[in-house]
Amino acid sequence: EAQVTQNPRYLITVTGKKLTVTCSQNMNHEYMSWYRQDPGLGLRQIYYSMNVEVTDKGDVPEGYKVSRKEKRNFPLILESPSPNQTSLYFCASSLSKVPDTQYFGPGTRLTVL
Amino acid sequence: LAKTTQPISMDSYEGQEVNITCSHNNIATNDYITWYQQFPSQGPRFIIQGYKTKVTNEVASLFIPADRKSSTLSLPRVSLSDTAVYYCLVGDSNTGGFKTIFGAGTRLFVKA
Repeated sequence: EAQVTQNPRYLITVTGKKLTVTCSQNMNHEYMSWYRQDPGLGLRQIYYSMNVEVTDKGDVPEGYKVSRKEKRNFPLILESPSPNQTSLYFCASSLSKVPDTQYFGPGTRLTVL
Repeated sequence: LAKTTQPISMDSYEGQEVNITCSHNNIATNDYITWYQQFPSQGPRFIIQGYKTKVTNEVASLFIPADRKSSTLSLPRVSLSDTAVYYCLVGDSNTGGFKTIFGAGTRLFVKA
């Protein structure tokens, strides 16, 4: 089944403790992206990647890092999480750039205390 | 970047047709317009996409006027399961189309 998977689905952590949210897709898509969703703000793009080793900033990249060492994986790294990064995170992939359809993962709900 | 503006919320009744309009005054020549649907605690799901005039699929229709400064998503005969948030999205051709802006979306509530 074609899908985007994220792990963990739920995470509660404390300020400053490094964490990684994994994202993997099995559709051989070139384009992957991370979004965060907060009440009343919709989805905001954090980072995107056009292919292996090629990444760029979205609208809200501060406090996040990404890497794309393999085509299928696009982990999101929070080196020193803070409470304002408490949010619902979505990973997405598409075969090519917009306007190609983006396929979203199930989401990761992160709470930083 | 082409920013989009949508109504914050809309109410409807089962069986009615629902039209959600999105404004995108700064749309670029090469930009497409895409609509996504999102249920609570799930990732958005593609509904429909178009460039101009009218597009129809098994789920919805998309109407785009000649100036392309707005678009209207039309959902025929909605049911309770259509209660969701609907996002209008315009691709950013200036950055090669990889940057995307979703906006706050329109929360549709369908009543029995």
